[in-house]
Amino acid sequence: ILNVEQSPQSLHVQEGDSTNFTCSFPSSNFYALHWYRWETAKSPEALFVMTLNGDEKKKGRISATLNTKEGYSYLYIKGSQPEDSATYLCACLNYGGSQGNLIFGKGTKLSVKP
Amino acid sequence: AAGVIQSPRHLIKEKRETATLKCYPIPRHDTVYWYQQGPGQDPQFLISFYEKMQSDKGSIPDRFSAQQFSDYHSELNMSSLELGDSALYFCASSLGLSQGNTEAFFGQGTRLTVV
Repeated sequence: ILNVEQSPQSLHVQEGDSTNFTCSFPSSNFYALHWYRWETAKSPEALFVMTLNGDEKKKGRISATLNTKEGYSYLYIKGSQPEDSATYLCACLNYGGSQGNLIFGKGTKLSVKP
Repeated sequence: AAGVIQSPRHLIKEKRETATLKCYPIPRHDTVYWYQQGPGQDPQFLISFYEKMQSDKGSIPDRFSAQQFSDYHSELNMSSLELGDSALYFCASSLGLSQGNTEAFFGQGTRLTVV
């Protein structure tokens, strides 16, 4: 079973601060890396799906980078707002064996204080 | 477009009873994931299935079991319910690796209350 690690587990920032967190994943047989945003009591929604080494994607104040050779992805939030408070999940998809599906990390819980 | 359907949306059970939660994936999706989110808690991965076989297992109690059927829908069976099982249970589905886009789509969740 593949292991996807996210750090930190939780993060508390002030409104206006910029922040980032990490997703580490097995680099062998890599296929895709996904980021999801999960607000409490709502369904998670996909932020980014990245497949190529060096990929950088942006959606508003949120951006993500991907390094498939060393097996990590960063998610950046510029000028955090209270509405950014959520759990951010990353998930990795690799080739091989029975792993034809996404393996999720445990998430980083972000709290943004006004 | 069809989304992931979970039923029921709300369920109230008494302690020690049994509950069955159902998840109907998006058509053609062959992979299903189950997550549990307790009140004020982080989401916890429970279990996933790919092509009707269990593919990954998280923090799922022994009192729970799940399976994926031939039509790819999945059921989460929960026995000897405890108060601590009260939570929002999310299901997600995706296409398998061989089919291209692997983004996971989540259902609206089933809110289980154990009294």
